[in-house]
Amino acid sequence: DAVMTQSPLSLPVTLGQPASISCRSSQSLVHSDGNTYLNWFQQRPGQSPRRLIYQVSKRESGVPDRFSGSGSGTDFTLKISRVEAEDVGVYYCMQSTHWPWTFGQGTKVEIK
Amino acid sequence: QVQLQESGPGLVKPSETLSLTCTVSGGSVSTGSYYWSWVRQPPGKGLEWIGYIYYSGSTNYNPSLKSRVTISGDTSKNQFSLKLSSVTAADTAVYYCARWPSGKDWGQGILVTVSS
Repeated sequence: DAVMTQSPLSLPVTLGQPASISCRSSQSLVHSDGNTYLNWFQQRPGQSPRRLIYQVSKRESGVPDRFSGSGSGTDFTLKISRVEAEDVGVYYCMQSTHWPWTFGQGTKVEIK
Repeated sequence: QVQLQESGPGLVKPSETLSLTCTVSGGSVSTGSYYWSWVRQPPGKGLEWIGYIYYSGSTNYNPSLKSRVTISGDTSKNQFSLKLSSVTAADTAVYYCARWPSGKDWGQGILVTVSS
């Protein structure tokens, strides 16, 4: 399985400040079709997961542009340019290149 | 807009079979190149992709659960289902159904507790 490792696991952030979450895969996430299927999800307390980013850097419709994704191969990053109160929750990276599709452990974002 | 809704017993006894159904509205389980999936999340823990049934009817299961999992579809009812046999307390989780690769189409989740 492709093991996804996130850091940090807990991220206290001041409102209006940037935040960054790292995700590393145990194997390259470049698919044989040339695409890299690395996704980022947000899970607010008591809610279902919601995908923010797909294929490393493509934002889902309706996702604020303060969220951005980057990376390649095995190393990926989710950045929030200015954290807002509604961004509190757990963020997961997830790969859908190799079966079984796997998630990182999650990073809990909270307001300081 | 597609909506997915999980249903089934919230309590299952150890060694029995967990059975859940996902009812889909606003879209068809038999069209559109989608992977109709089940994902679970133990209380306070992370997410695990259980498996999927492709719109064509083919299935794929997580090897960690493969011996105990069956996912099937019912096109007449526009539903797909999950069966997980020989459950233990470790199978206690919120179970989500989802339409992949759409990132927005997830059910609200159903908590299934395994306990005698």
